[in-house]
Amino acid sequence: DVKVTQSSRYLVKRTGEKVFLECVQDMDHENMFWYRQDPGLGLRLIYFSYDVKMKEKGDIPEGYSVSREKKERFSLILESASTNQTSMYLCASNMWDRANTEAFFGQGTRLTVV
Amino acid sequence: GQNIDQPTEMTATEGAIVQINCTYQTSGFNGLFWYQQHAGEAPTFLSYNVLDGLEEKGRFSSFLSRSKGYSYLLLKELQMKDSASYLCAVMDSNYQLIWGAGTKLIIKP
Repeated sequence: DVKVTQSSRYLVKRTGEKVFLECVQDMDHENMFWYRQDPGLGLRLIYFSYDVKMKEKGDIPEGYSVSREKKERFSLILESASTNQTSMYLCASNMWDRANTEAFFGQGTRLTVV
Repeated sequence: GQNIDQPTEMTATEGAIVQINCTYQTSGFNGLFWYQQHAGEAPTFLSYNVLDGLEEKGRFSSFLSRSKGYSYLLLKELQMKDSASYLCAVMDSNYQLIWGAGTKLIIKP
């Protein structure tokens, strides 16, 4: 029973390309998140959204933008991909303002920028 | 600043018990989560603590002391499939999750 789905498992892009990572959740969650995960650094929040068309910067938003036109879909955009954006990207969702609500993660997209 | 600390790597033997510690300093506290992440896969939820004490769930237990900013995850009767990274995360006053870097647990036969 898949709950959070990311469009690609593996992706290879060239420096300077515009890259779209898509995430869809079927749990009617208000909150959606984009993280990147690098060895030794843990999960770092790029952007999050708590409602349609709403977005908030996380800890490392530089070089990224997001789009949330529908409640179930949250897209991460790399405006001009660079090699330092090679990473594992994880999308997650949870319910709004509920402390004890677990976050559900997508399977991750391993992006390599060459 | 906000900070979550946990050991980078631990090794244990199949059938034994292991305790993974997590200490935190955050802006407010709305609960602490433990997640398991197998290599190349997404994190999956293990436990949630918001009150002091021990929460037991099968072979896994999680403990919280809010006054000490400390939690641990206890894994009993270790199995080879428990080899994974274990992530500690704290929900701060803004309901944002602050993540530790994770502890890689290696199980040896």
